[in-house]
Amino acid sequence: EAQVTQNPRYLITVTGKKLTVTCSQNMNHEYMSWYRQDPGLGLRQIYYSMNVEVTDKGDVPEGYKVSRKEKRNFPLILESPSPNQTSLYFCASSSSGGGLNNEQFFGPGTRLTVL
Amino acid sequence: GDSVTQMEGPVTLSEEAFLTINCTYTATGYPSLFWYVQYPGEGLQLLLKATKADDKGSNKGFEATYRKETTSFHLEKGSVQVSDSAVYFCALTSGANSKLTFGKGITLSVRP
Repeated sequence: EAQVTQNPRYLITVTGKKLTVTCSQNMNHEYMSWYRQDPGLGLRQIYYSMNVEVTDKGDVPEGYKVSRKEKRNFPLILESPSPNQTSLYFCASSSSGGGLNNEQFFGPGTRLTVL
Repeated sequence: GDSVTQMEGPVTLSEEAFLTINCTYTATGYPSLFWYVQYPGEGLQLLLKATKADDKGSNKGFEATYRKETTSFHLEKGSVQVSDSAVYFCALTSGANSKLTFGKGITLSVRP
């Protein structure tokens, strides 16, 4: 089954404790992206990757890091989480760099709470 | 920059009622337009899309027409069901980094 998986689905942590949210897709997609969803704000892009070893900032990259060492994986790293990073996070992927016609497939989401 | 404005929610309807969710956009160039749906506890799924002016996207009884003159992409369904209860997001991409720009989303609740 074609899918985007994220782990963990739920995470409660404390300020300053480094964490990684994993994202993996099995569709051989070149493009992957991270979004955060906050009430009243919709989804905002954090980082994206056009292909292996190619990453760039989205609209709200502060406090986050990413890496793309393999095509299927795109982990999101919070080196020193803060309470304002409490949010619902979604990973997405699409083929051929996304573009105007290509659907982005979303993972199930990771609900992160930073105390 | 690009932006998407959705009508304020939440919306509560009775089963078989007619649904309209308004969406307008601002974008440079010629964006593609999307409606995504998020069922409780799940990720976003593409509901429908339109890639050029006057295109009509449709799926599962939902429709939306790309109106360039009014910069709108309103979502409609003639007869909603309880199973349509979800959060609906209007979005666009103008090709720059393939980023999806989302509206704030609107929660639809359909009661039997």
